[in-house]
Amino acid sequence: AQSVTQLDSQVPVFEEAPVELRCNYSSSVSVYLFWYVQYPNQGLQLLLKYLSGSTLVKGINGFEAEFNKSQTSFHLRKPSVHISDTAEYFCAVMPDNYGQNFVFGPGTRLSVLP
Amino acid sequence: DAGVIQSPRHEVTEMGQEVTLRCKPISGHNSLFWYRQTMMRGLELLIYFNNNVPIDDSGMPEDRFSAKMPNASFSTLKIQPSEPRDSAVYFCASRMSGAAQPQHFGDGTRLSIL
Repeated sequence: AQSVTQLDSQVPVFEEAPVELRCNYSSSVSVYLFWYVQYPNQGLQLLLKYLSGSTLVKGINGFEAEFNKSQTSFHLRKPSVHISDTAEYFCAVMPDNYGQNFVFGPGTRLSVLP
Repeated sequence: DAGVIQSPRHEVTEMGQEVTLRCKPISGHNSLFWYRQTMMRGLELLIYFNNNVPIDDSGMPEDRFSAKMPNASFSTLKIQPSEPRDSAVYFCASRMSGAAQPQHFGDGTRLSIL
């Protein structure tokens, strides 16, 4: 079975500051990794995904994430946040054996302050 | 391209009434998922279908909940009778088969049971 931990339930940060949202996972098999963003009153939208290859993945809206296999982490970063980045961010894993489901983390609420 | 379409967007009804939530997945997607999101419990997977067949309904809370997928372009989630604790946002998501294909979410149905 897989599990996903997002240690920070809330992250407040000032506008134009850098931010890192942490994600750790556990799995007995290889996994694919995803970050989703949920804006108020909307569904989840895919930010980026890691399948294989380069461990640094770039996504939409200036976000990027780095896969670290030895630490089983997939942290999300942005060098300079905007007010519009205020949202809930979910890390998710999917085992690479066909037919298995996504496992979502509990989410991190990012609040960008003026 | 049309995304996952859910209806209604908002539903307010009295306890004991039957509630039906509807979902139209993205054309060509052959897996469909129903989630429930609350502040207390976060995002919970209720049930998912592959090729219109229910695969895992272990997340369905109790017999009051039922889900159907009569064809590849339509699914329903029904609650009968509804209770105040069913109040939540219900999301439908779909994905294509194949490794590492992401889930695509609708905008959800906000359900309030009075």
